[in-house]
Amino acid sequence: GIQVEQSPPDLILQEGANSTLRCNFSDSVNNLQWFHQNPWGQLINLFYIPSGTKQNGRLSATTVATERYSLLYISSSQTTDSGVYFCAVQGAQKLVFGQGTRLTINP
Amino acid sequence: DGGITQSPKYLFRKEGQNVTLSCEQNLNHDAMYWYRQDPGQGLRLIYYSQIVNDFQKGDIAEGYSVSREKKESFPLTVTSAQKNPTAFYLCASTPLPGGAGYTFGSGTRLTVV
Repeated sequence: GIQVEQSPPDLILQEGANSTLRCNFSDSVNNLQWFHQNPWGQLINLFYIPSGTKQNGRLSATTVATERYSLLYISSSQTTDSGVYFCAVQGAQKLVFGQGTRLTINP
Repeated sequence: DGGITQSPKYLFRKEGQNVTLSCEQNLNHDAMYWYRQDPGQGLRLIYYSQIVNDFQKGDIAEGYSVSREKKESFPLTVTSAQKNPTAFYLCASTPLPGGAGYTFGSGTRLTVV
């Protein structure tokens, strides 16, 4: 089945810093999504991005489908950006999740 | 507001007990999913349903059962056959099976005592 790997596993930054999170996947996909899980466990869908680039405020994402990776950029980090960021790709009838990147933004 | 409601938020189970986790959505979504999350791990699929009265096993279905009698509801039962049920359980839905637009509930944290 499809394998999804995220890096780095942990990232600690000061408020205001920029960060790049990476997602590699093992097979061609037509559905890739980024999620943010807040400290209370709620998962929020950030981007649906099977290819190309999208931006939403301080967040942007780029997927290069031919090279099987996606990047999530967070600029001018805020403490509310803390949590775990998951990349997930569509397999056969299911979403396959990576292990996540735990982001901690210190004030 | 449309969304997914999971209850209870916290649940404690004794050894040998069956417990049922509730998941209700008012988004008129066709597909619903149950995921399990262990500490420091990603989400793994337990069961999914694409339509009423039909459901399929995911990657870790052993020790779990589900039903889909109504479009809005997809309860998950953790049976005594599940030997390590302590985990965070998340329910999700999508407008169409396998599509975009995943909406997740706020989760149920199950602990065996």
